[in-house]
Amino acid sequence: GAGVSQTPSNKVTEKGKYVELRCDPISGHTALYWYRQSLGQGPEFLIYFQGTGAADDSGLPNDRFFAVRPEGSVSTLKIQRTERGDSAVYLCASSATRTNTDTQYFGPGTRLTVL
Amino acid sequence: GNSVTQMEGPVTLSEEAFLTINCTYTATGYPSLFWYVQYPGEGLQLLLKATKADDKGSNKGFEATYRKETTSFHLEKGSVQVSDSAVYFCALSKGGSEKLVFGKGTKLTVNP
Repeated sequence: GAGVSQTPSNKVTEKGKYVELRCDPISGHTALYWYRQSLGQGPEFLIYFQGTGAADDSGLPNDRFFAVRPEGSVSTLKIQRTERGDSAVYLCASSATRTNTDTQYFGPGTRLTVL
Repeated sequence: GNSVTQMEGPVTLSEEAFLTINCTYTATGYPSLFWYVQYPGEGLQLLLKATKADDKGSNKGFEATYRKETTSFHLEKGSVQVSDSAVYFCALSKGGSEKLVFGKGTKLTVNP
């Protein structure tokens, strides 16, 4: 079946602009996660959803970052007033349930470049 | 807090060599442990996992054993292939907080 998809695959924007990154999880997966991966580093957790609600948003770096999942499927990560330090690959993952033993399946990522 | 430390790369081996990538963790309680792999131009994918002490995860000839006494989850393969060239990430997930905590990754290059 289809895996996790993310759009766009690449996004170039100017400092101060607003961007939206989209994630389509595997059908039927109730848990959805966002991570950020900077060059040469491991992914860092941003936020995770169980259904429509954000169960843990402790990884969001500041209030410029916001994410929604209004119908419990597709999620959008929104970044306001982008800064050069926001440049990274943003990864989305989904899993069937919320237990820590479940496998998280990752999408290909969106590479964000802030000029 | 919870953290993962894995050996610095890059690691360069010849085909058929033995591979070990060290991974140690810090966490309270009993986390689940994972190895993810990122092949060139591809997304992260699960390689293997272990959910309790003394469990051994295995896949594609790779193995790792969850050692609670040494808080380690070292990745091993007896004979690497060129196709194993990738970046390998060790990660943990703690009950009640299901986010993955990753190490920095180890880049492996296997030469023919």
